[in-house]
Amino acid sequence: QQPVQSPQAVILREGEDAVINCSSSKALYSVHWYRQKHGEAPVFLMILLKGGEQKGHEKISASFNEKKQQSSLYLTASQLSYSGTYFCGTKGRTSYDKVIFGPGTSLSVIP
Amino acid sequence: SAVISQKPSRDICQRGTSLTIQCQVDSQVTMMFWYRQQPGQSLTLIATANQGSEATYESGFVIDKFPISRPNLTFSTLTVSNMSPEDSSIYLCSAISPGQGSDTQYFGPGTRLTVL
Repeated sequence: QQPVQSPQAVILREGEDAVINCSSSKALYSVHWYRQKHGEAPVFLMILLKGGEQKGHEKISASFNEKKQQSSLYLTASQLSYSGTYFCGTKGRTSYDKVIFGPGTSLSVIP
Repeated sequence: SAVISQKPSRDICQRGTSLTIQCQVDSQVTMMFWYRQQPGQSLTLIATANQGSEATYESGFVIDKFPISRPNLTFSTLTVSNMSPEDSSIYLCSAISPGQGSDTQYFGPGTRLTVL
């Protein structure tokens, strides 16, 4: 079942912060975050495994609340290069389950 | 990490013909997948390419329309058969590279298919 993402789209000025949320109706093994720029392949950002850990990648970090089946992606001090569509992917039950991707959140950073 | 290449990068095909897309990974991976992405849409899983056996298809996708092969651990093909304009899309190969404590899924650059 496809996870839900919010917001659908967001426009930021350089230096502003943003949060993208991802939620699922079923128990999750892991949450995967990707960024895709127009005309390019999705680029892996990070994986969060069940256990409620928080991870960071440059100025982008994420958290995973296993009990609520939710994950949030935090972008701080946004840069123009952060523009793109962010997809969360969820994997249920085991590490061998397939990843199902959410509808995506379009993020535009303007000068 | 894994680097994935796809051929062709794009093609324009006539209705009723078939196109085979090749996917090559630069290292051994545990699992390979094929996704379809319509412009502005999310990634839809077509099937899991199983090495040495028949692919596992998702609901709405059938082997006669999208035959898949995976003869070894680093190579897979997807054929789009008897194409119609509705098959116009971007087709992405993906693979899971085993890691320490977590498996990372990587994507190829995609094949942009236009059916006339």
